[in-house]
Amino acid sequence: KQEVTQIPAALSVPEGENLVLNCSFTDSAIYNLQWFRQDPGKGLTSLLLIQSSQREQTSGRLNASLDKSSGRSTLYIAASQPGDSATYLCVEGGGFKTIFGAGTRLFVKA
Amino acid sequence: DAGITQSPRYKITETGRQVTLMCHQTWSHSYMFWYRQDLGHGLRLIYYSAAADITDKGEVPDGYVVSRSKTENFPLTLESATRSQTSVYFCASSDAGLAYEQYFGPGTRLTVT
Repeated sequence: KQEVTQIPAALSVPEGENLVLNCSFTDSAIYNLQWFRQDPGKGLTSLLLIQSSQREQTSGRLNASLDKSSGRSTLYIAASQPGDSATYLCVEGGGFKTIFGAGTRLFVKA
Repeated sequence: DAGITQSPRYKITETGRQVTLMCHQTWSHSYMFWYRQDLGHGLRLIYYSAAADITDKGEVPDGYVVSRSKTENFPLTLESATRSQTSVYFCASSDAGLAYEQYFGPGTRLTVT
């Protein structure tokens, strides 16, 4: 069974720290990998989408990488802020192949 | 407003009742999806649709029915609600192709008593 695993499950860091969220997947033939942010009681906001032919994507303080050979993706957040506190979901595939990780709950302390 | 909307946002119903969750998108995306989010399971795909009148099962389709007569609407019906269907339901859409980015609605919190 194809799976997406996110480590750590929860993370608490002081404001200003750079941090990395990890995602591993078992399907080497992925279509894409997408990182979402979910705030409590809210929907999902897309942060970055990496196509299978790409190695990384950047948006502001966020950088996501994709290594299909090792089945890993990382989300790097630079200079974290309290407003970054949320659950971050790693999602493999797209359409009917979409598989969600359980998420990493991030808390950034002011 | 452009985007993807869901209604109702909150719903309480009784076991055995039929309930329909609505999803509407204004982008004319060809693909639409329904997910449920439960503690311990993350998000799981219930049904998806590649175009009007084309639907297919996802990971957890039992107990649900979908239809898609118009591109912009993708209702999800629980024909006889059960307590195990208490969950938060998310609708999503994406442009043509499996590799395209998905956009999510705000979710519907459904409680079955």
